Amino acid sequence: AQSVSQHNHHVILSEAASLELGCNYSYGGTVNLFWYVQYPGQHLQLLLKYFSGDPLVKGIKGFEAEFIKSKFSFNLRKPSVQWSDTAEYFCAVYTGTASKLTFGTGTRLQVTL
Amino acid sequence: NAGVTQTPKFRILKIGQSMTLQCTQDMNHNYMYWYRQDPGMGLKLIYYSVGAGITDKGEVPNGYNVSRSTTEDFPLRLELAAPSQTSVYFCASWTGAYNEQFFGPGTRLTVL
Repeated sequence: AQSVSQHNHHVILSEAASLELGCNYSYGGTVNLFWYVQYPGQHLQLLLKYFSGDPLVKGIKGFEAEFIKSKFSFNLRKPSVQWSDTAEYFCAVYTGTASKLTFGTGTRLQVTL
Repeated sequence: NAGVTQTPKFRILKIGQSMTLQCTQDMNHNYMYWYRQDPGMGLKLIYYSVGAGITDKGEVPNGYNVSRSTTEDFPLRLELAAPSQTSVYFCASWTGAYNEQFFGPGTRLTVL
C-alpha cells in the first residue's frame, strides 16, 4: 500500500527564515500530489497541488513545491516565512489505486517573531 | 456554495451515549470521507463512500457506523461512546482524480 512520509514533525523558525518541509511517498506510478495547511483551530485548506507538467508548482501565500519523480518527493518551500504561517502542514498523495487520498502525519510549523 | 458543512461544532458525551455527526456537501461530489484527528497523529480515515448507497471502511472504523442515502449527506454514527473516541472529526468530499478534497470545519467531540 502507498504511504506518505513527512520526516519533520515539528519545525520552529524565526520570521523571514526560509522553509523547506519534506514529503516522500512510496508509489512508482502516476500520482496526484497535494499540500494542505491547517491553521490553529481550523480545517484543512489546499495550499497547492501537482497533477502533471511543470514539476515546480506555485500555491497560495507564496508557497511552492517541487515534484522530483526520481526521489519520490514533493517538498514544500517558502523563501521567507511569516508569523501567520504558523500552522500544521499535510502532504497527501492520490495514486488511482484506491478512491482516497493518503495523508502524511503532518508537520507542525511554529514561526517566532 | 456552502461547501462542506458539519454539525455540531462541539459536543460532550458521556460514556455509553450515542450520537450522530452530520455532514452535508452541496457540490454534488460522489466521494465523501470521515477522518478523525488526534494531536500529533495526523488524519485517520474512519469510513468513506464513493456514492449514494456505497460505503467502505477506512483505517479505524471500530465503534463507528455510516450511511449514505443521498449524494449530499454522509452522517457518522457513534453507538456507544468511549473516551478513546475523544477527537476532532472532519468530513471531506471529493470529485476524484485531478482534484483536491474539500474539508468541513470539523466537530470537536469529548467523551467523559
